[in-house]
Amino acid sequence: AQSVSQHNHHVILSEAASLELGCNYSYGGTVNLFWYVQYPGQHLQLLLKYFSGDPLVKGIKGFEAEFIKSKFSFNLRKPSVQWSDTAEYFCAVNAGSNTGKLIFGQGTTLQVKP
Amino acid sequence: GAGVSQSPSNKVTEKGKDVELRCDPISGHTALYWYRQRLGQGLEFLIYFQGNSAPDKSGLPSDRFSAERTGESVSTLTIQRTQQEDSAVYLCASTPTYKAEQFFGPGTRLTVL
Repeated sequence: AQSVSQHNHHVILSEAASLELGCNYSYGGTVNLFWYVQYPGQHLQLLLKYFSGDPLVKGIKGFEAEFIKSKFSFNLRKPSVQWSDTAEYFCAVNAGSNTGKLIFGQGTTLQVKP
Repeated sequence: GAGVSQSPSNKVTEKGKDVELRCDPISGHTALYWYRQRLGQGLEFLIYFQGNSAPDKSGLPSDRFSAERTGESVSTLTIQRTQQEDSAVYLCASTPTYKAEQFFGPGTRLTVL
């Protein structure tokens, strides 16, 4: 069965530290990849997405992610985190589905200390 | 315009009761999804609606779960004879096409006592 794995469940960083959250998926065909973020008290919103083209995609608030097909990975990065980045981050994949249904990872809780 | 809305925001029910959750998608969005998020876990796909096509019900965990959507408007998710393991946040998302970004509602937190 298709699956998405996020390696870090809980990450604690100080402000200005660099961030990388891992995401791996299991599917050999064409994929569409997403990172969603849920800030405290808010609903899920899209951070960035990859459909095709340049494997390095840039999203909102300085986030970026790199699609590495050979590694089945789509890691999220940010060079310098802020306290306001404290949130839960979800990686999601639409793997060969003609319905667009997403398979989500378990989520990573990021806590940024001021 | 308005985003995806869901009601109620919280629902507490007793085991064995039926519950109905509602989703109002963004106007013009033809595709609508229901997901479930259990505590400490990622979202699980439940069901997908696209216009007048037959829904994709492959994610529904049991026959106690059902959902309806009339055209491209409101959808309701019904859980019959609720069990404690049904406790979760139920999220609805809509999108103009299945290939695009999904816009999520705030969710309904269901607690089954």
